[in-house]
Amino acid sequence: SSELTQDPAVSVALGQTARITCQGDSLRSYYAAWYQQRPGQAPVLVFYGKDNRPSGIPDRFSGSGSDNTASLTITGAQAEDEADYYCNSRDGNGHYVFGTGTKVTVL
Amino acid sequence: QVQLLQSGSEMKKPGASVKVSCKALGYSFTGYYIHWVRQVPGQGLEWMGIINPGGQATVVAPKLQDRVSLTKDVSTSTVYMELTNLASEDTAVYYCARGQWGDSWGQGTLVTVSS
Repeated sequence: SSELTQDPAVSVALGQTARITCQGDSLRSYYAAWYQQRPGQAPVLVFYGKDNRPSGIPDRFSGSGSDNTASLTITGAQAEDEADYYCNSRDGNGHYVFGTGTKVTVL
Repeated sequence: QVQLLQSGSEMKKPGASVKVSCKALGYSFTGYYIHWVRQVPGQGLEWMGIINPGGQATVVAPKLQDRVSLTKDVSTSTVYMELTNLASEDTAVYYCARGQWGDSWGQGTLVTVSS
């Protein structure tokens, strides 16, 4: 089955830029989705597809992809962006998989 | 507005089964797939499966294929996830999420498996 690998932790100074990456073979064929999860809460979709941000999500969140890697960038990180972030994609069999997750700390 | 309302917490013994419901509100039930996702406390998200409320298609993660059943009731706009032969490792929060991209999530259902 396909796997998606993320760095376990990323730290970013308040107001600076954080980049979270997700690697996996399925990303060569399918776009990723990105979810933010704060402690004790359900995940929230923050970016998906080629270039889509759900309504209500700040435009400091953006996504990109190349080869087997998808990235989520937070430009001008805020304190409320401190959370766990997960990527997600599908494979050719219609199965989906989540990345291993990245804990973002805003310093 | 779009809401997914899940059933309440469950406590089960090993070997038992659990059935979690997810009621869709505020949109066309048959127009969006529903994913099921679980999260063991302190760990990451695990994709379990997907069901098409507007058709017959269901796909379940290979490791759960023999224990998970996804069903729907169009008359009540509700999807169900049944997990059989429960073990302690199945203790987790179970979520449903709307659409291919999971643009709206239920509040989660804690299932605790303990003897």
